[in-house]
Amino acid sequence: GESVGLHLPTLSVQEGDNSIINCAYSNSASDYFIWYKQESGKGPQFIIDIRSNMDKRQGQRVTVLLNKTVKHLSLQIAATQPGDSAVYFCAETTNSGYALNFGKGTSLLVTP
Amino acid sequence: EPEVTQTPSHQVTQMGQEVILRCVPISNHLYFYWYRQILGQKVEFLVSFYNNEISEKSEIFDDQFSVERPDGSNFTLKIRSTKLEDSAMYFCASSVGTGKEKLFFGSGTQLSVL
Repeated sequence: GESVGLHLPTLSVQEGDNSIINCAYSNSASDYFIWYKQESGKGPQFIIDIRSNMDKRQGQRVTVLLNKTVKHLSLQIAATQPGDSAVYFCAETTNSGYALNFGKGTSLLVTP
Repeated sequence: EPEVTQTPSHQVTQMGQEVILRCVPISNHLYFYWYRQILGQKVEFLVSFYNNEISEKSEIFDDQFSVERPDGSNFTLKIRSTKLEDSAMYFCASSVGTGKEKLFFGSGTQLSVL
């Protein structure tokens, strides 16, 4: 079965609002998680990562939260902008550590 | 910023034909990958490659697929006899280290098998 998945397939937010994109994982041994952004017609673009020894990591306007107890990962985007409209994927490394398993993706639509 | 480049951007082929998708990873990267994405679906791992050999492959990467690093800069994916279900966007990626490092993806090759 799929080990990385997303709660919501689509999310619509107003420009300026904060966005929260959620992800569940099933492999309790996973120790590294990444969020990627994919704009239409482009390849996935790295946003932020977090290791399992952390609960929270902040970047520029983005924050990733990791709850290992419930195996849940979230991406928070502050002051969402039209340029944030894209599909967002969470990913975890495979058991071997050589590659990534992606979730199904959440489409974020930012409306003016 | 350095980037992964892929050619061609679009490839149309007949079922049963061989195709070669080409990638130029970032020059100081040591790990190379192929992923694919069927329209509207998630990105799926195909294969990872390090030190001139496959380090991991998925169930999708069967005997019809092969990868090669023919010289110091190119990384290719060959599909020997294409099937309709091979139609997808194929992404090449590279990283300095293993899957626990930041992967840089190319813009993809859209493969259409007719």
